[in-house]
Amino acid sequence: GENVEQHPSTLSVQEGDSAVIKCTYSDSASNYFPWYKQELGKRPQLIIDIRSNVGEKKDQRIAVTLNKTAKHFSLHITETQPEDSAVYFCAARKVQGAQKLVFGQGTRLTINP
Amino acid sequence: GAVVSQHPSWVICKSGTSVKIECRSLDFQATTMFWYRQFPKQSLMLMATSNEGSKATYEQGVEKDKFLINHASLTLSTLTVTSAHPEDSSFYICSARWTNYEQYFGPGTRLTVT
Repeated sequence: GENVEQHPSTLSVQEGDSAVIKCTYSDSASNYFPWYKQELGKRPQLIIDIRSNVGEKKDQRIAVTLNKTAKHFSLHITETQPEDSAVYFCAARKVQGAQKLVFGQGTRLTINP
Repeated sequence: GAVVSQHPSWVICKSGTSVKIECRSLDFQATTMFWYRQFPKQSLMLMATSNEGSKATYEQGVEKDKFLINHASLTLSTLTVTSAHPEDSSFYICSARWTNYEQYFGPGTRLTVT
């Protein structure tokens, strides 16, 4: 089955700097890769996703890149703000059928003012 | 975006009792819903996949007789923790698939078993 590895487990950056979180997946058939942000005690929120037919997607300060050959994808947050502090999870799955999302271990991002 | 609600948001129960958690998709029909469990500072652990009108599919290691899942309609799935024990204390989160891609999460239920 699919296995998703996420790094780093913790990340601390200065406000205004960029943050990058990386994930690798094992199943080459996976073709959907969402990223979720979870604040303490709250629900995971879908912040951006990418499908395997594109290599990059951007939404304001957030971007995701996908390298299908290497089977890895990354989340990039630019101009970080204190409200970006949270735990971020990557995930992967095959779109066909009722395939389940497989999550990475999570990255605790702290933005220092 | 799609909205998923969950009730209750927190519950405290005594050991040996049962607790029911409801998950609703408010503005869309969800043929597939998912139940997760999350321990502090850990990732989401899938417990089961629930399809409307059929039996849930449980992940390995999850006791189906202890965690009863019912997906009676396209907008409602319930998780019942039977004969709860302190080790069942956790954050339970449901999720519903809106399209073939996006999956949205409920706000979670914090269960404490005393």
